[in-house]
Order: sequence, then structure tokens, then C-alpha cells
Amino acid sequence: QVQLQESGPGLVKPSGILSLTCAVSGGSFSSSYWWSWVRQPPGKGLEWIGEIYHSGTTNYNPSLKSRVTISVDKSKNQFSLKLSSLTAADTAVYFCAREMNSRVLDYWGQGTLVTVSS
Amino acid sequence: QSVLTQPPSVSGAPGQRVTISCTGSSSNIGAGYDVHWYQQLPGTAPKVLIYGNNNRPSGVPDRFSGSKSGTSASLAITGLQAEDEADYYCQSYDSSLKGVFGTGTKVTVL
Repeated sequence: QVQLQESGPGLVKPSGILSLTCAVSGGSFSSSYWWSWVRQPPGKGLEWIGEIYHSGTTNYNPSLKSRVTISVDKSKNQFSLKLSSLTAADTAVYFCAREMNSRVLDYWGQGTLVTVSS
Repeated sequence: QSVLTQPPSVSGAPGQRVTISCTGSSSNIGAGYDVHWYQQLPGTAPKVLIYGNNNRPSGVPDRFSGSKSGTSASLAITGLQAEDEADYYCQSYDSSLKGVFGTGTKVTVL
């Protein structure tokens, strides 16, 4: 059974950098999957942040592209998200997920709330 | 910004049939990209209900079905049950925007 677990600080200061890691267990990390980040502001809908292929190829949401970096560490079976120049609008629950070639997100982490506040 | 439009809410009595629409454009659904549907219960991660337009993962009741036509897709719930009360999201891919989600629909069981 594939499991994903997000980890990282729950509180980050405005203008700072959000750094989250997603640990993947129970499955092959180097198979033909994409690995994604999705966020959900409190009381709002889902927003796709970006994705990374096991080879390192990335795609980002154009509205966040200038501030986002997604990377992968295959030796540790994990991938990471960095989001810079934070504002209160970046406060959200951040989810990591496995993405099949058809682009369906079949396995999700439980999500982690990140609050941007001084 | 969501490029896939869903109705904010739908409701129905137990046992009834409800449908949720997901309207896109020629750069996403209309371009042939698959549509997937998720159910999200409060405080939990989304769960796949339908993948590849009309396929159900094992364990998802056959009360849930999906369809796609042109630049739109739909999720139908037949025999509505109390436990179906949740938020539902469609998701696809866009040639420019890459991953895209629908605006989300809250289903209320009356």
C-alpha cells in the first residue's frame, strides 16, 4: 500500500520560504509516475501547484511558477516543495500526491496546514 | 484560478439522482485530456471516485458514474445516501496551464 506523508514547518513568516517534504513508502518511487503538490486555502477549493517526474522533469502552475521549486531525492524516496515570497494568501493545507500517466492523483498524503503569519 | 467550472452546490433527497457538471474548454477537456473526479470529506484528503472519464477504482460503489462529451464532463450519483454529503472536484489537464481542478461542488443530502 502506497503511503505519502508531508512534513515541514506549520508557521512561516511573510516574505519567507515555505519548505515541505513528502516521504513516499510502500511503492516504487522510480517507476513511471509523476509526483504532485496541491494546496487548499481554508474553506476554499483545490489548487494544483506543480509536478515532478521521477527523472526530474517539472511542470508548474503558471500563476506560481516564479516562486515554486519542486525537487526529488530518489535515494530517500521523497520529493520536496519550496515556495518563496510568501504572503497570507499562501496559507493553506498542502497535499502531496502520486500522479499516474493519465494525470489522476491516486494516492494522497493527509495534508499539512501551513500558516503564513508574523 | 480554476478553469473548470462546477456548480457551487447540488442537493437531493436520499435515493434520488444528482449530477454535477464540469465545464472546460478546447485546451483541456476538449483537447482530449481525461477527466477525474474526487470526493473530499471534511478535514480529509481528496479521494478518487472516477478516473479516466468513466472508470471506478475498486471499492467505489457503482452508484457513482462519470461521462465526458466535448468540453464538458459530468458526475452522477444515483441512490443518494447520507454518506455522500461531501465536496466533489473534477480535475483534468490543460495544454497551457497543466494541472487544473474544478471549482468544487458541495453535495447536500436533504
